[in-house]
Parts: sequence; C-alpha cells; structure tokens
Amino acid sequence: GQQVMQIPQYQHVQEGEDFTTYCNSSTTLSNIQWYKQRPGGHPVFLIQLVKSGEVKKQKRLTFQFGEAKKNSSLHITATQTTDVGTYFCAGRGQGGSEKLVFGKGTKLTVNP
Amino acid sequence: KAGVTQTPRYLIKTRGQQVTLSCSPISGHRSVSWYQQTPGQGLQFLFEYFSETQRNKGNFPGRFSGRQFSNSRSEMNVSTLELGDSALYLCASRRGYNTGELFFGEGSRLTVL
Repeated sequence: GQQVMQIPQYQHVQEGEDFTTYCNSSTTLSNIQWYKQRPGGHPVFLIQLVKSGEVKKQKRLTFQFGEAKKNSSLHITATQTTDVGTYFCAGRGQGGSEKLVFGKGTKLTVNP
Repeated sequence: KAGVTQTPRYLIKTRGQQVTLSCSPISGHRSVSWYQQTPGQGLQFLFEYFSETQRNKGNFPGRFSGRQFSNSRSEMNVSTLELGDSALYLCASRRGYNTGELFFGEGSRLTVL
C-alpha cells in the first residue's frame, strides 16, 4: 500500500536558523497536506498542495510539491520559539477512494 | 463555531476490557475519520465514515470498529484491549468525503493496564 516517509524524525535548531522537513511517497499523489501539532495539542491544518511543482508561502513557511507529485517539503526561515511542534505531511493517492496517509512527522525544537 | 468534540478525554482500562470513544464533528461536516497516535508510529489511519457508511479502513485488526449516526456523530469501539492499544485516539471531521482539510479534536487518551 501507499507509504509516506518523512525525514528527519527530529530536528533541533537555534532560534533564527532555518528548518526543512521532507516528505516522500511511494506512489504518485493527487495532493499533499501539511499539519502542525504543538506539544500537548492536536494537529492543525497548514496547507494543501495540488499541482505539480506548486510552491506556496505562508509568511516564513514555504511549501513545495515535487514535479512528479511524489515528494514535498516544508521550509521555515528564521525559526522562532513559536514554531516548536511536530510537522506532519499527509498524502492522498490518485483515485477517488484513496485514503490520506500521514508521515510519521518531524519534531522541531527551537533553542532560544 | 464549535470544533470537533471528543469524549472522554482520558480513560484507563485493563487488558481484555472494551472501550467506546465518541466524536461530534463540526456542524455541517459529514465525514469523520479516526486516527491512532503513538510516539513511535505517528498518526495511523483507522477508518473514515461518510453519510453513515465506512468509506475507508486502515490496517487494524477487527477488534477496532466504528460507526456513524445520522447526525454525523461517530463512535469507535475497541474490544479485548491489549497493552499496545494505549494511545491518543484522534477524531477529525471535514465537510465532504475524502477531500478538504481535516479538523481534529483534542483526542481521547487511552491507557491500558
């Protein structure tokens, strides 16, 4: 079945440094979503990418969807302590009944 | 508007018992999905219900079951609990089937002793 791999599993940065998490799917995706889960909280939707090669920005966050629609990345510029949490990608395979498969997440800690 | 509501928030059970968790989706949302979250495995998909029908199912044993009512509220049941079932169970709703963003509840944390 479809698998979504996410790396790294953990990332520790100094405040102000950049951060990137990568997501790779074993199959071509129809779309990919990104979620953030703060410590002790629940996942919160960040964005959805649909088009091949799509790039979207939300302030310091940049999301990319690969040309082959099998990989994606989330890049945070100049991290802040408020960025702490676990970032999950979730991909849906092509075909109307494919379920949304989550990566295992990247846990980001930021040292002030 | 009110978010996704899950009850109970915390519960402790012993091996062999069964448990029922409840989820009330956001008003107007007809799809409810359930996920199991554990530290090592991330978010594992259990099932998705839409219009009272199970539309998708993850790779969990038959001990895990669910249902959805006509008002879109959903319940999941785990029978014959095992220690490995200890986890945070998250419910998520969305307006349509298999499309759009997921809105998660706070989760039900189950501990099996």
